[in-house]
Formats: sequence, C-alpha cells, structure tokens
Amino acid sequence: EVQLVESGGGLVQPGGSLRLSCATSGFTFSDHYMDWVRQAPGKGLEYVGRSRLKADSYRTEYAASVEGRFTISRDESQSSLYLQMNSLKTEDTAVYYCVRDVGGVYNFWGQGTLVTVSS
Amino acid sequence: EIVLTQSPGTLSLSPGERATLSCRASLAIGHDYLAWYVQRPGQAPRLLIYGIFRRATGVADRFSGSGSGTDFTLTISRLEPEDFAVYYCQQYDYSPITFGQGTRLEIK
Repeated sequence: EVQLVESGGGLVQPGGSLRLSCATSGFTFSDHYMDWVRQAPGKGLEYVGRSRLKADSYRTEYAASVEGRFTISRDESQSSLYLQMNSLKTEDTAVYYCVRDVGGVYNFWGQGTLVTVSS
Repeated sequence: EIVLTQSPGTLSLSPGERATLSCRASLAIGHDYLAWYVQRPGQAPRLLIYGIFRRATGVADRFSGSGSGTDFTLTISRLEPEDFAVYYCQQYDYSPITFGQGTRLEIK
C-alpha cells in the first residue's frame, strides 16, 4: 500500500524557516518524481515544486512564488522527500501536501501538514 | 502560466441528478494532459480522471471526463451522497502545473 506521511508543520514567525518531511512507503521511491502542493486555508490548490530523478541529476523546479526561498531535496536511502522553507511570509500559510507525480498526474497524496506563518 | 477557469463556482443539485462541471484553459492543452481531482472536507484531494477521460483506479463509472483544446467537462451521471465535495481540474501539459479554482458541488 502506497503511503505518504508529511511532518514538520507548525507555527513560525514571518522571516523564519521550517523544514517539512515526507516519509514514503509501498513503492519504489527512486523511480518517481515527487512534488509538493499547498492549499491556503479555504483556498484552492497550488503547485509548489518538483523533485526529479537521479537520471535527471535530481533537478528541481519551483513555482515563481517560492523560487529562491524554498528548496526541495530527497533522500533515496530513506525514501523521503523534504521541503526547506526559508524567509517565510504570511502568504505561505497553508496545508502542504507531498504527492507522487506520474507524468504530472498526482495519483497519491499525503494527508498534509499545516504551516502557519504569523507573528 | 496556464490559467484554468472552472464553472460554476458552486453547483447545487440533489442526489440522483446529473452534474456537469466545466474547466476552461487559457491556452490549448496538448497531449490530453488534463486531470480532475475531488476533495472531501478535511481530506486530501484524490485523483478521479487523468488524460481527459481515463478513470483512476477504483473510480466509479458514473464519473466521466471529456473535452479537448481549451474546454473540458467532468460529468457525474447520478449523484451519490459522497459526491458532494469540491472538484479541481489540473493541467500538466505546461510548466508550471496549474489547477482551477475549484467547483463546490453542494446538496440542494
């Protein structure tokens, strides 16, 4: 059974940092792109970024709204995905979902972890 | 980036009725790279349809997708109580991936 479990969310002040983790199981992590998608309270879904494969030199890409502030990484020995978030803004407040990406189709989602940026 | 506009914003129907949800793209979507997701309250989104019309594993056949170019439709033939939720379309043809703003399907 495919499982994606996010952790690391919480309350952080504007300008602060937070690192989210996504522990995965039930599939071959190293064979899959993995993405982060977020959802602000009461709002829709927003793509955050993508982690590609070893064959793609682990290249990452980001939404313009987080470029330069967020960094996605992966540890294939742990089958885990990470999202390092720096210089956080109040508009980054959202539930952050880890998703398995198959050609851009998100066929598995984690339960999400809430990040609140507030003073 | 590609803008997806979903209509209506809210759709009020009764169980057993047919629902038609629309998604319009600001540019033609190629390779059939259009998907639909459903999100029930307090839950993560779940994949319903990909490749415009392909149902994801375990999705009931009352859900169907259609369309091409810039106009796409999700149809639910006979609404069940669990279908009242929020539906999002997504394009994965262009970078960055984008989502529509969602259609809320509520019980009339």
